[in-house]
Amino acid sequence: SQQGEEDPQALSIQEGENATMNCSYKTSINNLQWYRQNSGRGLVHLILIRSNEREKHSGRLRVTLDTSKKSSSLLITASRAADTASYFCATDAVSNFGNEKLTFGTGTRLTIIP
Amino acid sequence: NAGVTQTPKFQVLKTGQSMTLQCAQDMNHEYMSWYRQDPGMGLRLIHYSVGAGITDQGEVPNGYNVSRSTTEDFPLRLLSAAPSQTSVYFCASSLDRPQDTQYFGPGTRLTVL
Repeated sequence: SQQGEEDPQALSIQEGENATMNCSYKTSINNLQWYRQNSGRGLVHLILIRSNEREKHSGRLRVTLDTSKKSSSLLITASRAADTASYFCATDAVSNFGNEKLTFGTGTRLTIIP
Repeated sequence: NAGVTQTPKFQVLKTGQSMTLQCAQDMNHEYMSWYRQDPGMGLRLIHYSVGAGITDQGEVPNGYNVSRSTTEDFPLRLLSAAPSQTSVYFCASSLDRPQDTQYFGPGTRLTVL
């Protein structure tokens, strides 16, 4: 089963509004990342937050992390049409052989209405 | 730099056929991985490699083989294609570890009839 799940699965908002999406994960992590995927393309890295951080900002993005609840949220402020995309959280874990791996959640499809 | 390249972009196979999806990167990245993306399932990790000669299984490894003989290349082999392997496949690489920024290829859209 997948490590992360995003909520909601889909979100539509008016341009200029803020968009919030959430990620819940199952096991302890060292870091959590957020990625964006435009339709039919590969994923692009947005931001990384470490397990000892509670909040991080990058431009119009704000990420929070609550390790006690095993959850993270991504806030996009003042949304633009170009923000229309799918957003995924990704967490790292250690395999049975001691190798680190990165697993993704199921994604939130964000649509910005002009 | 070309970044991460994947070939082919599209492929149609018949059930039982085998093929290799190619992935290459020119950034001297140690960590490489393969994901499949299906509607509503997000990205699921198939296999990954932490460096040349070292590979490990992800969440959905059955039906796929990988090897990493060089730092640059990480091919994914489908041994006997099944309709359940119809998906979009993405290769990704990062400098050293999974928490480093992942760079994704453009994807291969595979249909198995």
